[in-house]
Amino acid sequence: EAQVTQNPRYLITVTGKKLTVTCSQNMNHEYMSWYRQDPGLGLRQIYYSMNVEVTDKGDVPEGYKVSRKEKRNFPLILESPSPNQTSLYFCASTKTSGRSYEQYFGPGTRLTVT
Amino acid sequence: GDSVTQMEGPVTLSEEAFLTINCTYTATGYPSLFWYVQYPGEGLQLLLKATKADDKGSNKGFEATYRKETTSFHLEKGSVQVSDSAVYFCALKGSDYKLSFGAGTTVTVRA
Repeated sequence: EAQVTQNPRYLITVTGKKLTVTCSQNMNHEYMSWYRQDPGLGLRQIYYSMNVEVTDKGDVPEGYKVSRKEKRNFPLILESPSPNQTSLYFCASTKTSGRSYEQYFGPGTRLTVT
Repeated sequence: GDSVTQMEGPVTLSEEAFLTINCTYTATGYPSLFWYVQYPGEGLQLLLKATKADDKGSNKGFEATYRKETTSFHLEKGSVQVSDSAVYFCALKGSDYKLSFGAGTTVTVRA
């Protein structure tokens, strides 16, 4: 079954404690991205990756890092989380072959930073 | 840059009522347009899409038509059910692979 998995699904942490949210896809997609969802703002792209070792900033990258060492994994790293990073995070994996475009979303990670 | 403006919610309806959620966009070129749905406690699911002007996307009784002249992609359903209660997002894909989302509209359908 084609899927995008994220872990953890829920996380409560304290300001400044480094954390990583993992994301994995089993569809061999080259393009992956991270979004955050906030009330009244919809989803905004944090970072994206066009392929292994190729990453770039999205619309709201401040306070986040990513890496893409393998095609299937795209972890999101918060080196020093702050309360304004409390949000719902979605990883997405995108099929981009030819004229076809389909975006698959993970189940989401609800992060609370106190 | 690309942007999507979506009707503000929340929207509360009775079962079998008609639902419309307005969506307009700003983009260069010829974007693809999408509606996603998020049921309580779940991730986003693609509801329908349209890739060129005058295309009509449809799924589960929902419809939306890509109107280039009015830069709109309004979502409609003729008779809603309680199970349609969810958050609905309008989105567009421009020349790159990123999706630009509207703010989302929360729809609650009462029995």
